[in-house]
Amino acid sequence: DGGITQSPKYLFRKEGQNVTLSCEQNLNHDAMYWYRQDPGQGLRLIYYSQIVNDFQKGDIAEGYSVSREKKESFPLTVTSAQKNPTAFYLCASSINANSYNEQFFGPGTRLTVL
Amino acid sequence: AQKVTQAQTEISVVEKEDVTLDCVYETRDTTYYLFWYKQPPSGELVFLIRRNSFDEQNEISGRYSWNFQKSTSSFNFTITASQVVDSAVYFCALSERVRTDKLIFGTGTRLQVFP
Repeated sequence: DGGITQSPKYLFRKEGQNVTLSCEQNLNHDAMYWYRQDPGQGLRLIYYSQIVNDFQKGDIAEGYSVSREKKESFPLTVTSAQKNPTAFYLCASSINANSYNEQFFGPGTRLTVL
Repeated sequence: AQKVTQAQTEISVVEKEDVTLDCVYETRDTTYYLFWYKQPPSGELVFLIRRNSFDEQNEISGRYSWNFQKSTSSFNFTITASQVVDSAVYFCALSERVRTDKLIFGTGTRLQVFP
């Protein structure tokens, strides 16, 4: 089945630790995105990548880092510099970064900082 | 500035009632795209519809219908004869042609359908 997988589903982290969230897609999509969702809020863009080996900051990139070494994979690292990392993280992809393309979403990772 | 407003935070209805979810947007671009996504309790967003700014025809898909009115900058979503499975958070989103890097989401409307 084609789709987007995110792992783990739930993640607990101690303060001061970096943690990496996985996102893999087998849809052969060029563009990939990371969003953060907080209760009662819409999705906010953290980082996006239009093509392999390229990525740009979104609205709330501080405290996060990404890489795009393979077309299928777009991991997100939440660093200790992120002041309030507890949130629901959603990965998405689209055929390309053209504005008319719908984005396909993964099931999300819920990160809790203890 | 681009903005999407979903003023209804939460709506509760009883099964078989019709319900309309409101979406108002702001943009300076003449070419843009509007989307609706559904987020069930599982968390994954599901694409429902895309509409471009030059197509104001209403669309119907089964029990779902969408009313796009440029004059009021609205793109409302109606569910007819609601069912319990419709319970979810629904997001309206805007994408501009000149800004291909961003999908602007509203804050979402949580719909609860009771049996």
